[in-house]
Amino acid sequence: DGGITQSPKYLFRKEGQNVTLSCEQNLNHDAMYWYRQDPGQGLRLIYYSQIVNDFQKGDIAEGYSVSREKKESFPLTVTSAQKNPTAFYLCASSISSGYSTEAFFGQGTRLTVV
Amino acid sequence: SQQGEEDPQALSIQEGENATMNCSYKTSINNLQWYRQNSGRGLVHLILIRSNEREKHSGRLRVTLDTSKKSSSLLITASRAADTASYFCATDFGAGSYQLTFGKGTKLSVIP
Repeated sequence: DGGITQSPKYLFRKEGQNVTLSCEQNLNHDAMYWYRQDPGQGLRLIYYSQIVNDFQKGDIAEGYSVSREKKESFPLTVTSAQKNPTAFYLCASSISSGYSTEAFFGQGTRLTVV
Repeated sequence: SQQGEEDPQALSIQEGENATMNCSYKTSINNLQWYRQNSGRGLVHLILIRSNEREKHSGRLRVTLDTSKKSSSLLITASRAADTASYFCATDFGAGSYQLTFGKGTKLSVIP
């Protein structure tokens, strides 16, 4: 089945620790995105990538890092510089076209700082 | 920055009634989309309406777009308990800018 897979579903991080969230897609999409969702805040864009080996900061990139070495994969690292990382993280992908930017989402990773 | 703003923030209706949610945005757009999110899950795309369209239907969904007022509405007819979810509008600015900017969502509860 085609789709976008995030892992793990739940993740616990200790203070000062870096953690990496995985996002893989087999939809052959060029564009991939990471969003953060806090209660009552909607979705905020962290990073996005339109092609392999290229990515841009979104609205809240501080304390996060990404890589795009393969078309299928767009991992997100939450670094110790992110002071309030507890949130629900959503990865998405879309065909980069001028006509449609319908996004397909993974099921999310819930990160909690302990 | 969040481009869209949904209204109301929460909506509770009886099964069989219609549900209307509104979205307002600030700058010119290319497309406007509506997504649904069940609690604790990822978002699912519902419908996309282009800036040169005024109305679009998909099953029990009807979306309108008024670019002069920078607003859109999502109507769900004959609601079901399974429609209970949060609904988000998202906008993009066209070719070369593939970012989707989401609103804060409307939480819909359909009471059986």
